Amino acid sequence: EAGVAQSPRYKIIEKRQSVAFWCNPISGHATLYWYQQILGQGPKLLIQFQNNGVVDDSQLPKDRFSAERLKGVDSTLKIQPAKLEDSAVYLCASSPTQGASGNTIYFGEGSWLTVV
Amino acid sequence: AQKITQTQPGMFVQEKEAVTLDCTYDTSDPSYGLFWYKQPSSGEMIFLIYQGSYDQQNATEGRYSLNFQKARKSANLVISASQLGDSAMYFCAMRVNTNAGKSTFGDGTTLTVKP
Repeated sequence: EAGVAQSPRYKIIEKRQSVAFWCNPISGHATLYWYQQILGQGPKLLIQFQNNGVVDDSQLPKDRFSAERLKGVDSTLKIQPAKLEDSAVYLCASSPTQGASGNTIYFGEGSWLTVV
Repeated sequence: AQKITQTQPGMFVQEKEAVTLDCTYDTSDPSYGLFWYKQPSSGEMIFLIYQGSYDQQNATEGRYSLNFQKARKSANLVISASQLGDSAMYFCAMRVNTNAGKSTFGDGTTLTVKP
């Protein structure tokens, strides 16, 4: 079974530029997550989708971050304009369903963003 | 609100010995799951073990076991017979059944296994 796919793996951009990350979850997984992980910290949930609907985006900086999950499969996370403090690893993850506490969350390898 | 606390920023263990990584949690939801993940320097988050709030027995997966003490709200990870490849960051996480299955992670513990 293929895992969660993310691209690009690494990206370096200048502040005020834009960047987009792509994620393809495990086939059949209805729930998709984007996390931000700053070096030395645990992952922070940015947004959670159930199929193509947003169920939690309370920690997404909506003035600069946006995410979509068209057709309930792939997802794209965009940052525009980027700030220095956005330098982090952006982890995409998926799980079979929302709300079921026993469903494991499976992660991709992450997209490493450096803003200079 | 949910919260995960990992009080050990770094831990050292001798190869072949056992080590316990601490995790305490806070939630008002009666139904929840607790998870441990390993994150090597490559950055990938690897699922290790799961414990449900209603599970009567402690979870075990190979060399990993979870010491679940519900009354104390703790879910410590025990790694037996440590190997050099166990050196990594370890995260404790929780999902609740309400609030759209919201997940919360701790800030992690860096484990270093010494030869």
